[in-house]
Amino acid sequence: KAGVTQTPRYLIKTRGQQVTLSCSPISGHRSVSWYQQTPGQGLQFLFEYFSETQRNKGNFPGRFSGRQFSNSRSEMNVSTLELGDSALYLCASSLTGTASSYNEQFFGPGTRLTVL
Amino acid sequence: AQSVAQPEDQVNVAEGNPLTVKCTYSVSGNPYLFWYVQYPNRGLQFLLKYITGDNLVKGSYGFEAEFNKSQTSFHLKKPSALVSDSALYFCAVRGPYSSASKIIFGSGTRLSIRP
Repeated sequence: KAGVTQTPRYLIKTRGQQVTLSCSPISGHRSVSWYQQTPGQGLQFLFEYFSETQRNKGNFPGRFSGRQFSNSRSEMNVSTLELGDSALYLCASSLTGTASSYNEQFFGPGTRLTVL
Repeated sequence: AQSVAQPEDQVNVAEGNPLTVKCTYSVSGNPYLFWYVQYPNRGLQFLLKYITGDNLVKGSYGFEAEFNKSQTSFHLKKPSALVSDSALYFCAVRGPYSSASKIIFGSGTRLSIRP
């Protein structure tokens, strides 16, 4: 099975712009989660989607949004970029269903976003 | 609220020696506990998890972890370290399923194995 794929792998934007990152989960996985990883803050949970519905959300401003499509692919969008948004954005998929939160997550390689 | 702590930013071990990477957690109810490893410029890889049952859990690459409910700990261990084990290790916790059950990651511990 192909792993989790994320596009693009690298991205450079300027302050004020917006960006859309894409994630394709492992075939058969219906849950997709997004994380922001920075040296100072570690791994911060952004949101989790299951069957096109946002099931959980982390403590990020409304500039961060996401969605999931019927084929389980997911996108996240960051509007009005700030310098502090520079980070590695990781996507993870799992078999987690409506009653099982114990399945491990499979991570993609990440998208490295640099905001200038 | 649930939380997880990795008290050591870095652990240094000589090759061939045993290693321990510490993790403590706080969660309401019975926890689901995970360890992940991250190699440079890569995403995280799953190592092992505890759901229920035996307190000693075995995982990938010879790693194991011991769940200790009284001490709310889930330390990662390996009897004999390899240089290739050098990486960033994350502990994660998730509470029993509910609409508020998010997975929380620790701050990470950098493991350095010297030849």
